[in-house]
Amino acid sequence: GENVEQHPSTLSVQEGDSAVIKCTYSDSASNYFPWYKQELGKGPQLIIDIRSNVGEKKDQRIAVTLNKTAKHFSLHITETQPEDSAVYFCAASKTSQGNLIFGKGTKLSVKP
Amino acid sequence: EPEVTQTPSHQVTQMGQEVILRCVPISNHLYFYWYRQILGQKVEFLVSFYNNEISEKSEIFDDQFSVERPDGSNFTLKIRSTKLEDSAMYFCASRFTGSSDTIYFGEGSWLTVV
Repeated sequence: GENVEQHPSTLSVQEGDSAVIKCTYSDSASNYFPWYKQELGKGPQLIIDIRSNVGEKKDQRIAVTLNKTAKHFSLHITETQPEDSAVYFCAASKTSQGNLIFGKGTKLSVKP
Repeated sequence: EPEVTQTPSHQVTQMGQEVILRCVPISNHLYFYWYRQILGQKVEFLVSFYNNEISEKSEIFDDQFSVERPDGSNFTLKIRSTKLEDSAMYFCASRFTGSSDTIYFGEGSWLTVV
């Protein structure tokens, strides 16, 4: 089955710097790659997603890139703010099934 | 904005007792899921449900677990005889159709087995 690896497990940046989180997946049939932000005590909130027919997607300060050949995808957050501090999870799935396989998460700390 | 709602937010139960966690998915969604997250660990898939039947389940979802959609709005997860290792946050999620991939999560139900 699918396996998703996520790095780093923790990331600390200064406010205004960029943050990059990387994930790899094992199942070449996976075609949907969302990123979720989880704040303490809350459920995962979708922040951006990308499908396998697209190489890059951007939404304001957040961007995601996908390399299907290498089977890895990355989350890029620019101009980080303290409110970006949270745990970020990448995930992968096959659209026909829809169940997500999550990475282990990255705890992002943005220092003012 | 429509949301997935879950009850209870927190439940403490004795080992061996039955627990039912309840969820109201987003109203026009057709695919329903349960995930769990043990404290400090990643979110793990338990089961998916579509057209009134289980479409896929993980190894975690053994015979002590069951799901049900008793009416047009609720989606429940039942744990028959709870164990200490069942202590976790349980998330319900829903999705519209196969052509729309976005899965929306509820706020979770924190289960503590003592």
